[in-house]
Amino acid sequence: NAGVMQNPRHLVRRRGQEARLRCSPMKGHSHVYWYRQLPEEGLKFMVYLQKENIIDESGMPKERFSAEFPKEGPSILRIQQVVRGDSAAYFCASYGSGGPPEQFFGPGTRLTVL
Amino acid sequence: QKEVEQNSGPLSVPEGAIASLNCTYSDRGSQSFFWYRQYSGKSPELIMSIYSNGDKEDGRFTAQLNKASQYVSLLIRDSQPSDSATYLCAVRGSGGGADGLTFGKGTHLIIQP
Repeated sequence: NAGVMQNPRHLVRRRGQEARLRCSPMKGHSHVYWYRQLPEEGLKFMVYLQKENIIDESGMPKERFSAEFPKEGPSILRIQQVVRGDSAAYFCASYGSGGPPEQFFGPGTRLTVL
Repeated sequence: QKEVEQNSGPLSVPEGAIASLNCTYSDRGSQSFFWYRQYSGKSPELIMSIYSNGDKEDGRFTAQLNKASQYVSLLIRDSQPSDSATYLCAVRGSGGGADGLTFGKGTHLIIQP
């Protein structure tokens, strides 16, 4: 019974490069959320997606960040032209319709920008 | 702006005692409340959810909710060293549907052997 899967677990990028973070929700879950945790900061909601739809991106920075959840395959969080301030842990969570509104988190991707 | 406030700690509790963690929230229309445990370098792990006023017990954990006071708490009975972690309070808003969660910054709990 696989949980939420994220890869890579660790990602190192140089300033100006692109970062792609992947998330596969729990089996049967169609709601995906991305959160960011900066060092010494709390978890901050970024974006909420269902298959092929962005439902709420109110927490997403307006520039350089994008997210998708295609019909087939994992959800992708894409950060273009990374800067040092993007260094953080990025967590994905999923939720299944019809059950209690509980979100379960993946192991996270720790992004380091050099 | 939705806010969730927690005392950052550290909160130090002797082994075997009751640990009490508190949280307040600003959005009066919030409907769902969660406690997550996060060990250093790991991801948040859901330990309790509560949706209506009163107490909810699960093993050594009891969540308490008072919507009138906009207050949520978590009690851990018979605290163990393995309970040492950061505890995150999370609130789901009043927007309906499957909203993203608003988290507090967490309380760092230390259980002293």
